[in-house]
Amino acid sequence: AQSVTQLDSQVPVFEEAPVELRCNYSSSVSVYLFWYVQYPNQGLQLLLKYLSGSTLVKGINGFEAEFNKSQTSFHLRKPSVHISDTAEYFCACLRTNTGFQKLVFGTGTRLLVSP
Amino acid sequence: GAGVSQTPSNKVTEKGKYVELRCDPISGHTALYWYRQSLGQGPEFLIYFQGTGAADDSGLPNDRFFAVRPEGSVSTLKIQRTERGDSAVYLCASSLGLDRYETQYFGPGTRLLVL
Repeated sequence: AQSVTQLDSQVPVFEEAPVELRCNYSSSVSVYLFWYVQYPNQGLQLLLKYLSGSTLVKGINGFEAEFNKSQTSFHLRKPSVHISDTAEYFCACLRTNTGFQKLVFGTGTRLLVSP
Repeated sequence: GAGVSQTPSNKVTEKGKYVELRCDPISGHTALYWYRQSLGQGPEFLIYFQGTGAADDSGLPNDRFFAVRPEGSVSTLKIQRTERGDSAVYLCASSLGLDRYETQYFGPGTRLLVL
């Protein structure tokens, strides 16, 4: 079954530095991948998604992710982070063995941006 | 417009009690999802509604959990004989219901604590 793994539980970074949050997926069939962000006391918000086509996906708030089939990865990147990017980030895949949109989430990565 | 709303935002109950958690989806969204997020984990799928019917309830952990959506809008997640292990944040999401790849919009969640 499809799944995703986020190896980093927490990533500390200084403001204006670049950041990469790692996500690896496991699937033998077509994959559909998502990144969501969760700010404190707020709901999950979609940052970007990969369904097909270009492997470089641009999202909101300056984030982008690259789908890499050979490395089974979908890492999230931002060239320069802000304090306001401090949040929990979740990678997710779409379980496709049903006709429905069942998202399978990773365990999350907490991004901590300090001045 | 208004996003997905969930009430209550916090619920404290005692072991063995019955609780109801409410979700009000975005107007016009026919698809509605419930997820459960335990501490330090990503959200886990519980149940999916298309209209009034539960199209997929494979994520409900046992028969103490039940959800309804009688008029195809508001949904209620019901938990009987609560256990301490039910403590988690319960997230609701909705989407248009037209396309399996469409974005799910999440509410802020209900934090349930079972003492």
